[in-house]
Amino acid sequence: AQKVTQAQTEISVVEKEDVTLDCVYETRDTTYYLFWYKQPPSGELVFLIRRNSFDEQNEISGRYSWNFQKSTSSFNFTITASQVVDSAVYFCALSEAGYQGAQKLVFGQGTRLTINP
Amino acid sequence: DSGVTQTPKHLITATGQRVTLRCSPRSGDLSVYWYQQSLDQGLQFLIQYYNGEERAKGNILERFSAQQFPDLHSELNLSSLELGDSALYFCASSVSWSSYNSPLHFGNGTRLTVT
Repeated sequence: AQKVTQAQTEISVVEKEDVTLDCVYETRDTTYYLFWYKQPPSGELVFLIRRNSFDEQNEISGRYSWNFQKSTSSFNFTITASQVVDSAVYFCALSEAGYQGAQKLVFGQGTRLTINP
Repeated sequence: DSGVTQTPKHLITATGQRVTLRCSPRSGDLSVYWYQQSLDQGLQFLIQYYNGEERAKGNILERFSAQQFPDLHSELNLSSLELGDSALYFCASSVSWSSYNSPLHFGNGTRLTVT
């Protein structure tokens, strides 16, 4: 069965600090995708990144970076030089390639990130 | 803006009632997914339609049903509403039949409050 665990329920940091959000996943498939979504206070879900299970290269997009390690089944998300606008709930999600699993995303419980000025 | 449109934004109704939530996918997307976000259950997959046909079912109650119309918009019908159905209901769309092959783009959600 597929499962995503975000152990950090809430994180609070001061602006300009770096912050890492942890994501650990469980799956029996060798082929899967991992995702991060952002949910700002306005409520919508914003797609941030998708990573294939065969691609373990780290990715950087501006102040955002993602570290994928299959050996520890983790897909962590780091925000560098955080800003108040980064305050949101962040969700990690998993989609398996198998027929049934491919139809849905399984989400973690989310990490509420608060950036204080 | 994801391009996925959900209406209404807010809905307040009483227990026992029936409501319909509407979703218009992004232009060109054939798949529509419905998710429920509640405080205790988190984000849960309900159901998926692809090009008018039901493709997959998740944790959807029998009191809930959905359909996708020829113009690809979708409706989620919730009946015999209970207090516990209060939640944020998201619609998402994607190009392909699989959330694996293409990312899901979510609408802004419909917040349902059952009193």
